[in-house]
Amino acid sequence: AQRVTQPEKLLSVFKGAPVELKCNYSYSGSPELFWYVQYSRQRLQLLLRHISRESIKGFTADLNKGETSFHLKKPFAQEEDSAMYYCALLQGGSEKLVFGKGTKLTVNP
Amino acid sequence: KAGVTQTPRYLIKTRGQQVTLSCSPISGHRSVSWYQQTPGQGLQFLFEYFSETQRNKGNFPGRFSGRQFSNSRSEMNVSTLELGDSALYLCASSHNRVDSSTDTQYFGPGTRLTVL
Repeated sequence: AQRVTQPEKLLSVFKGAPVELKCNYSYSGSPELFWYVQYSRQRLQLLLRHISRESIKGFTADLNKGETSFHLKKPFAQEEDSAMYYCALLQGGSEKLVFGKGTKLTVNP
Repeated sequence: KAGVTQTPRYLIKTRGQQVTLSCSPISGHRSVSWYQQTPGQGLQFLFEYFSETQRNKGNFPGRFSGRQFSNSRSEMNVSTLELGDSALYLCASSHNRVDSSTDTQYFGPGTRLTVL
């Protein structure tokens, strides 16, 4: 069965420090992975997807099939990065997203 | 262009009642998915509709149902409400997944359902 695990419910860092939000997945197939973000009082929105290999707002994420991981990284955190981050896996051939439980990132000044 | 809209935004019902939630997708989007978000279970997929047909269904009881209209607007219905149905219900819309590298699910603000 597909599963997405985000081991940290809460993560707190200081402004300017590197940040890494962990995501591990279980999927018998070629995974399509995403990071979604929800800022305070805003709707859930796509941050980035592995297939496009892009950097958004300074965040990057690399798919490691050997470790079944898709960790989200940013070298220098900013206060405006404080939000809930969800890792999600798209079930093959469908629109069904399987979400992790989320990590609340707080960037302190 | 306008984003995904959901109505109502807040709803209070009592056990045993039924409820209907509405979702209007982004213009041109033909796929609408529904998710339930609770503190304990997180975000869970309910079902997805495309061109008025249910294409995928999550692991929810038959009390949860939905439909999609010819204009792609979608409704979900929950009958015989239980306390555990209290949640934020999100819908998301997207184009047909012809080009998965650019297709994106856009989420609405959600409907907060409270069952007393």
